[in-house]
Amino acid sequence: SQQGEEDPQALSIQEGENATMNCSYKTSINNLQWYRQNSGRGLVHLILIRSNEREKHSGRLRVTLDTSKKSSSLLITASRAADTASYFCATVNYGQNFVFGPGTRLSVLP
Amino acid sequence: DAGVTQSPTHLIKTRGQHVTLRCSPISGHKSVSWYQQVLGQGPQFIFQYYEKEERGRGNFPDRFSARQFPNYSSELNVNALLLGDSALYLCASSLIFSISSPLHFGNGTRLTVT
Repeated sequence: SQQGEEDPQALSIQEGENATMNCSYKTSINNLQWYRQNSGRGLVHLILIRSNEREKHSGRLRVTLDTSKKSSSLLITASRAADTASYFCATVNYGQNFVFGPGTRLSVLP
Repeated sequence: DAGVTQSPTHLIKTRGQHVTLRCSPISGHKSVSWYQQVLGQGPQFIFQYYEKEERGRGNFPDRFSARQFPNYSSELNVNALLLGDSALYLCASSLIFSISSPLHFGNGTRLTVT
C-alpha cells in the first residue's frame, strides 16, 4: 500500500511564483526524501529530512516535516520553467524500503 | 563519472514471453534496487540487492526475479509476461546499504507488453 500521498495531484503556476507540494504518510519514519522526475526519465534526489528535523533548505527548496501530523511539504521558491516535472516524496523506515507516493505534477508556465 | 545505466531503453514483448533488464550502478555503489513505475503513478519497490545478496523484496509475484553480479551490476528477469507488466522499470543504486543513503536512478527501461 502507498505510504506517502502527495497533494495536489497537479499544480500549474506562473514563472516566478512559489510552488508548494504536500506529502502525508501513515506510519512512523526514519527519514523522508523528495525526488524530481522529468518526463520519461529517472528520478533525481532533491533533499532528505530526518525524523528529528523540522525544516531543511537547499537552494530554492525548503522542506518541512511535522511528525505529529505525519506530513511534509516541499516549497520551491521563484519557480522556473525548468522546474516543470513530477515531484515524489519517499518515506523510509528501518526494516522497510523506500515507499513512494503517486506524485505531484508541476507545470511552470513562462 | 557515469551515472546509473540501464539497457535496453525500450522493449516490446508479447504476452507469455520472458524479458531480462540490465543495470550498471554508479562506480563504487554496492547496492542496487529495482522499481516498477506504471504511467501516472509513483515507483513501486521490487527488489534490493547489496553485496550480491537479496536484502528486500516487494509485493510482486514469483515471475519476477533478480540477481546481482560480482561487479555489482544487476539483472531483473520477468517470466510469463502479462499486459499489466507494461511499465517503466527503474534501477537505482546507492553507495551503501543504508536507509539514509539517497537513491541514484537510471533513466529506466520502457517495457511494452502486447
